Amino acid sequence: LAKTTQPISMDSYEGQEVNITCSHNNIATNDYITWYQQFPSQGPRFIIQGYKTKVTNEVASLFIPADRKSSTLSLPRVSLSDTAVYYCLVLTGGGNKLTFGTGTQLKVEL
Amino acid sequence: DTEVTQTPKHLVMGMTNKKSLKCEQHMGHRAMYWYKQKAKKPPELMFVYSYEKLSINESVPSRFSPECPNSSLLNLHLHALQPEDSALYLCASSQDGLAVSYNEQFFGPGTRLTVL
Repeated sequence: LAKTTQPISMDSYEGQEVNITCSHNNIATNDYITWYQQFPSQGPRFIIQGYKTKVTNEVASLFIPADRKSSTLSLPRVSLSDTAVYYCLVLTGGGNKLTFGTGTQLKVEL
Repeated sequence: DTEVTQTPKHLVMGMTNKKSLKCEQHMGHRAMYWYKQKAKKPPELMFVYSYEKLSINESVPSRFSPECPNSSLLNLHLHALQPEDSALYLCASSQDGLAVSYNEQFFGPGTRLTVL
Protein backbone atom coordinates (compact mmCIF):
# COMPACT_ATOMS: atom_id res chain seq x y z
CA LEU A 1 0.00 0.00 0.00
CA ALA A 2 1.59 3.25 -1.13
CA LYS A 3 2.26 5.68 1.68
CA THR A 4 1.41 9.34 1.62
CA THR A 5 4.84 10.87 2.11
CA GLN A 6 6.25 14.24 3.09
CA PRO A 7 9.74 15.54 3.90
CA ILE A 8 10.51 14.88 7.54
CA SER A 9 11.59 18.42 8.35
CA MET A 10 12.21 21.87 6.91
CA ASP A 11 13.98 24.92 8.30
CA SER A 12 13.22 28.51 7.38
CA TYR A 13 13.65 32.09 8.53
CA GLU A 14 11.00 34.63 9.35
CA GLY A 15 9.61 36.41 6.31
CA GLN A 16 10.50 33.65 3.85
CA GLU A 17 8.08 31.61 1.75
CA VAL A 18 7.94 27.90 2.61
CA ASN A 19 6.73 25.17 0.27
CA ILE A 20 5.91 21.74 1.69
CA THR A 21 5.16 18.87 -0.65
CA CYS A 22 3.07 15.75 -0.18
CA SER A 23 3.27 12.71 -2.44
CA HIS A 24 -0.02 10.84 -2.67
CA ASN A 25 0.16 8.67 -5.78
CA ASN A 26 -2.65 6.42 -4.48
CA ILE A 27 -5.18 9.20 -4.07
CA ALA A 28 -8.82 8.42 -4.77
CA THR A 29 -10.16 9.85 -8.02
CA ASN A 30 -12.73 12.17 -6.53
CA ASP A 31 -11.04 13.10 -3.29
CA TYR A 32 -9.95 16.47 -2.04
CA ILE A 33 -6.53 17.15 -0.56
CA THR A 34 -6.55 18.78 2.84
CA TRP A 35 -3.71 20.22 4.88
CA TYR A 36 -3.55 20.52 8.66
CA GLN A 37 -1.21 22.20 11.14
CA GLN A 38 -0.45 20.66 14.52
CA PHE A 39 1.25 22.23 17.53
CA PRO A 40 2.61 20.07 20.38
CA SER A 41 -0.08 18.61 22.64
CA GLN A 42 -2.88 19.95 20.44
CA GLY A 43 -5.16 18.48 17.82
CA PRO A 44 -4.54 19.27 14.15
CA ARG A 45 -6.06 22.46 12.77
CA PHE A 46 -7.40 22.90 9.23
CA ILE A 47 -5.34 25.10 6.90
CA ILE A 48 -6.60 24.65 3.36
CA GLN A 49 -8.32 22.20 1.02
CA GLY A 50 -8.37 21.74 -2.75
CA TYR A 51 -9.16 19.35 -5.60
CA LYS A 52 -7.07 20.62 -8.50
CA THR A 53 -4.93 23.53 -9.78
CA LYS A 54 -4.57 26.27 -7.18
CA VAL A 55 -6.47 27.32 -4.09
CA THR A 56 -5.63 30.35 -1.95
CA ASN A 57 -6.99 31.56 1.35
CA GLU A 58 -5.86 34.14 3.89
CA VAL A 59 -3.08 31.96 5.32
CA ALA A 60 -1.82 29.66 2.55
CA SER A 61 -1.93 28.49 -1.03
CA LEU A 62 -2.29 24.95 -2.29
CA PHE A 63 -0.90 23.85 -5.64
CA ILE A 64 -2.12 20.60 -7.21
CA PRO A 65 -0.74 19.39 -10.57
CA ALA A 66 -3.00 17.86 -13.21
CA ASP A 67 -2.17 14.25 -12.27
CA ARG A 68 -3.01 15.01 -8.59
CA LYS A 69 -0.34 12.61 -7.38
CA SER A 70 1.25 15.32 -5.27
CA SER A 71 0.39 18.66 -3.75
CA THR A 72 2.34 21.62 -2.40
CA LEU A 73 1.36 23.75 0.56
CA SER A 74 2.80 27.26 0.29
CA LEU A 75 3.10 29.47 3.37
CA PRO A 76 3.99 33.07 2.48
CA ARG A 77 6.20 35.07 4.82
CA VAL A 78 6.39 32.62 7.71
CA SER A 79 6.79 33.74 11.31
CA LEU A 80 8.03 32.04 14.46
CA SER A 81 4.46 31.03 15.29
CA ASP A 82 4.32 28.89 12.13
CA THR A 83 6.74 26.42 13.74
CA ALA A 84 4.62 23.27 13.80
CA VAL A 85 4.06 19.91 12.11
CA TYR A 86 2.17 20.04 8.83
CA TYR A 87 0.15 17.09 7.50
CA CYS A 88 -1.63 16.43 4.25
CA LEU A 89 -4.77 14.28 4.41
CA VAL A 90 -6.18 12.29 1.51
CA LEU A 91 -8.45 9.38 0.71
CA THR A 92 -6.46 6.45 -0.63
CA GLY A 93 -7.01 2.81 -1.49
CA GLY A 94 -9.87 3.28 -3.90
CA GLY A 95 -11.51 5.99 -1.86
CA ASN A 96 -12.14 4.23 1.41
CA LYS A 97 -9.11 4.92 3.60
CA LEU A 98 -8.56 8.31 5.17
CA THR A 99 -4.79 8.71 5.47
CA PHE A 100 -2.59 11.42 6.92
CA GLY A 101 0.77 12.03 5.32
CA THR A 102 3.93 11.29 7.27
CA GLY A 103 4.15 14.90 8.45
CA THR A 104 6.70 17.70 8.05
CA GLN A 105 8.20 19.47 11.05
CA LEU A 106 8.69 23.11 10.06
CA LYS A 107 11.06 25.15 12.18
CA VAL A 108 11.11 28.91 11.69
CA GLU A 109 13.97 30.95 13.14
CA LEU A 110 14.71 34.66 13.41
CA ASP B 1 -19.48 27.14 19.88
CA THR B 2 -16.83 25.94 17.43
CA GLU B 3 -14.97 23.70 19.81
CA VAL B 4 -14.49 19.98 20.28
CA THR B 5 -13.85 19.13 23.91
CA GLN B 6 -12.24 15.97 25.24
CA THR B 7 -12.03 14.62 28.78
CA PRO B 8 -9.94 13.72 30.58
CA LYS B 9 -6.85 15.58 29.40
CA HIS B 10 -4.57 12.91 30.85
CA LEU B 11 -5.30 9.32 31.89
CA VAL B 12 -3.08 6.70 33.48
CA MET B 13 -4.49 3.19 33.72
CA GLY B 14 -3.39 -0.33 34.47
CA MET B 15 -3.82 -3.20 32.05
CA THR B 16 -6.79 -4.57 34.00
CA ASN B 17 -8.65 -1.28 34.34
CA LYS B 18 -11.76 -0.14 32.51
CA LYS B 19 -11.90 3.53 31.59
CA SER B 20 -13.67 5.77 29.10
CA LEU B 21 -12.67 8.77 27.01
CA LYS B 22 -15.29 11.38 26.25
CA CYS B 23 -15.68 13.77 23.33
CA GLU B 24 -18.30 16.46 22.85
CA GLN B 25 -19.20 18.95 20.11
CA HIS B 26 -22.10 21.37 19.80
CA MET B 27 -21.61 22.47 16.20
CA GLY B 28 -24.34 20.22 14.83
CA HIS B 29 -21.76 18.08 13.05
CA ARG B 30 -23.01 14.70 11.86
CA ALA B 31 -19.69 12.82 11.58
CA MET B 32 -17.38 12.10 14.50
CA TYR B 33 -14.01 10.40 14.51
CA TRP B 34 -11.52 8.75 16.86
CA TYR B 35 -7.81 8.85 16.00
CA LYS B 36 -4.76 7.43 17.74
CA GLN B 37 -1.48 9.33 17.53
CA LYS B 38 1.87 8.01 18.72
CA ALA B 39 4.75 10.38 19.34
CA LYS B 40 6.21 11.94 16.17
CA LYS B 41 3.74 10.02 14.00
CA PRO B 42 0.64 11.13 12.10
CA PRO B 43 -2.83 10.49 13.51
CA GLU B 44 -4.24 7.08 12.57
CA LEU B 45 -7.96 6.75 12.03
CA MET B 46 -9.67 4.26 14.37
CA PHE B 47 -13.43 4.77 14.05
CA VAL B 48 -15.92 6.99 12.25
CA TYR B 49 -19.52 7.59 13.25
CA SER B 50 -21.87 8.97 10.66
CA TYR B 51 -25.34 10.09 11.78
CA GLU B 52 -24.67 8.32 15.10
CA LYS B 53 -23.98 4.97 13.44
CA LEU B 54 -20.58 3.31 13.27
CA SER B 55 -19.55 3.48 9.64
CA ILE B 56 -15.83 2.76 9.75
CA ASN B 57 -13.79 0.53 12.06
CA GLU B 58 -10.18 0.42 10.89
CA SER B 59 -9.61 -3.10 12.23
CA VAL B 60 -9.21 -1.79 15.75
CA PRO B 61 -8.79 -4.42 18.52
CA SER B 62 -11.92 -5.11 20.55
CA ARG B 63 -10.31 -3.75 23.72
CA PHE B 64 -11.32 -0.37 22.22
CA SER B 65 -15.10 0.04 22.10
CA PRO B 66 -16.64 3.20 20.65
CA GLU B 67 -20.08 4.53 21.50
CA CYS B 68 -22.12 7.43 20.15
CA PRO B 69 -25.00 8.08 22.59
CA ASN B 70 -26.25 11.10 20.62
CA SER B 71 -25.18 13.44 17.85
CA SER B 72 -23.06 15.57 20.21
CA LEU B 73 -21.27 12.90 22.19
CA LEU B 74 -18.68 10.27 21.38
CA ASN B 75 -17.14 7.87 23.88
CA LEU B 76 -14.27 5.44 23.64
CA HIS B 77 -14.42 2.65 26.20
CA LEU B 78 -11.11 1.06 27.13
CA HIS B 79 -10.60 -2.37 28.67
CA ALA B 80 -7.58 -4.61 29.11
CA LEU B 81 -5.26 -2.28 27.24
CA GLN B 82 -1.60 -2.96 26.60
CA PRO B 83 1.35 -0.62 27.23
CA GLU B 84 1.72 -0.17 23.46
CA ASP B 85 -1.73 1.44 23.44
CA SER B 86 -0.24 4.46 25.21
CA ALA B 87 -0.76 7.42 22.87
CA LEU B 88 -2.65 10.66 22.30
CA TYR B 89 -6.27 9.90 21.43
CA LEU B 90 -7.86 12.56 19.28
CA CYS B 91 -11.52 13.13 18.61
CA ALA B 92 -12.72 15.10 15.59
CA SER B 93 -16.00 16.11 14.02
CA SER B 94 -17.10 17.32 10.60
CA GLN B 95 -20.29 18.87 9.33
CA ASP B 96 -20.95 16.39 6.57
CA GLY B 97 -22.48 13.10 7.64
CA LEU B 98 -20.59 11.15 5.04
CA ALA B 99 -18.30 8.64 6.70
CA VAL B 100 -15.16 9.71 4.92
CA SER B 101 -15.81 13.36 4.62
CA TYR B 102 -14.45 15.99 2.31
CA ASN B 103 -15.33 18.50 4.98
CA GLU B 104 -12.96 20.21 7.34
CA GLN B 105 -12.43 18.20 10.49
CA PHE B 106 -12.41 20.00 13.81
CA PHE B 107 -10.13 18.29 16.30
CA GLY B 108 -10.20 18.27 20.07
CA PRO B 109 -7.00 18.69 22.11
CA GLY B 110 -6.76 14.97 22.75
CA THR B 111 -6.45 12.70 25.77
CA ARG B 112 -2.92 11.62 26.66
CA LEU B 113 -3.26 7.96 27.68
CA THR B 114 -0.58 6.01 29.54
CA VAL B 115 -1.06 2.28 30.10
CA LEU B 116 1.13 0.80 32.82
